[in-house]
Amino acid sequence: EIVLTQSPGTLSLSPGERATLSCRASQSVTSGYLAWYQQKPGQAPRLLIYGASSRVTGIPDRFSGSGSGTDFTLTISRLEPEDFAVYYCQQYGSSFGSFGGGTKVEIK
Amino acid sequence: EVQLVESGGGLVQPGRSLRLSCTTSGFTFGDYAMSWVRQAPGKGPEWVGFIRSKPYGGTTEYAASVKGRFTISRDDSESIAYLQMNSLKTEDTAVYYCTRDTVVGAKRFDYWGQGTLVTVSS
Repeated sequence: EIVLTQSPGTLSLSPGERATLSCRASQSVTSGYLAWYQQKPGQAPRLLIYGASSRVTGIPDRFSGSGSGTDFTLTISRLEPEDFAVYYCQQYGSSFGSFGGGTKVEIK
Repeated sequence: EVQLVESGGGLVQPGRSLRLSCTTSGFTFGDYAMSWVRQAPGKGPEWVGFIRSKPYGGTTEYAASVKGRFTISRDDSESIAYLQMNSLKTEDTAVYYCTRDTVVGAKRFDYWGQGTLVTVSS
């Protein structure tokens, strides 16, 4: 099973700042099958990015994904108040679609 | 509008059974694989299992942690997915989400229900 490690655990930033979230896999993720989800308190996760860099329809272009192999990044170019949440990466290239432990983006 | 609504959660004793339902609307249910994902309190999500669509065999796959205890089924005529949970353990305590998977069952989840809480405790 592929283990995903997200860093940092918590990111304290101000609105308007740039957020860079990391997701590292224990082995190469097949064909870049890496997704990013956003979760707000009391809500279900929401798919933002799939295929490492493809944005879901309706997701603002301030969200971008990059990476391949074992290292992936989610970048939020300018944080809006509604972006403060927990973000999870997930790989879906192997038998078990494992998730990372999450990065909380909080208001500084 | 795609909607998924889970029901059937609650408090159950260890060793007992529970069945969750996921009622869907807004898309052609029979075309998609359906997955169940759970999230224990304060933890990240965990894929539980899925059922492929009939064109892809209607077969199921499960996470190692629930294999042999949980069973997923589907009723395409009613657009409902089910999760039968037997021999429940305290570590199964979580919010259970029904999710729409891809057509081929890639374990990528583009729509989620609101979740239903299952608490396993004596």
